[in-house]
Amino acid sequence: GENVEQHPSTLSVQEGDSAVIKCTYSDSASNYFPWYKQELGKGPQLIIDIRSNVGEKKDQRIAVTLNKTAKHFSLHITETQPEDSAVYFCAASRNDYKLSFGAGTTVTVRA
Amino acid sequence: SQTIHQWPATLVQPVGSPLSLECTVEGTSNPNLYWYRQAAGRGLQLLFYSVGIGQISSEVPQNLSASRPQDRQFILSSKKLLLSDSGFYLCAWSPGQGNADTQYFGPGTRLTVL
Repeated sequence: GENVEQHPSTLSVQEGDSAVIKCTYSDSASNYFPWYKQELGKGPQLIIDIRSNVGEKKDQRIAVTLNKTAKHFSLHITETQPEDSAVYFCAASRNDYKLSFGAGTTVTVRA
Repeated sequence: SQTIHQWPATLVQPVGSPLSLECTVEGTSNPNLYWYRQAAGRGLQLLFYSVGIGQISSEVPQNLSASRPQDRQFILSSKKLLLSDSGFYLCAWSPGQGNADTQYFGPGTRLTVL
């Protein structure tokens, strides 16, 4: 089955700096890559996703890039704010209903 | 727009007691439905998923079972809870047609087994 590895496990950034989280996947048939943000005590929220026919997608301060050849994708958060502090999960799917999740990255934005 | 509900929000149960967690989705028809468990500080473990009424796929053999009595209702059950069943239980849905892999999560149920 699909194996998704996520790095780093924790990330501390100064407010206003950028944060980057990287994920690698093993199944070359995977074609959908979402990112979720989970705040303490809440369910994960889909923040951005990308399909394999696109190399980059941007939504305000967040962006996702995909390198199909290398089988890795990354989340970029620019101009970080305290409300960006949360656990972020990447995932991959080959469009068979199921998502394979990374282990998560705890992001702390220091004021 | 679509909305997903879970209840209860929190639950404290003794070991050996039964369990029933409910999830309902509004604003869509024939969704795919999922149950996940998240242990403290850990990732998401898929427990069950359903692509239609009465169709349940189990991902992990365990003390739990799932049922889908109606199109937009998904229930997670146990006859006898174990200490290891403690965790944060999340229900999710995805469109039955189109982007079936795009999952949206509910608010979760925090279960503590004592």
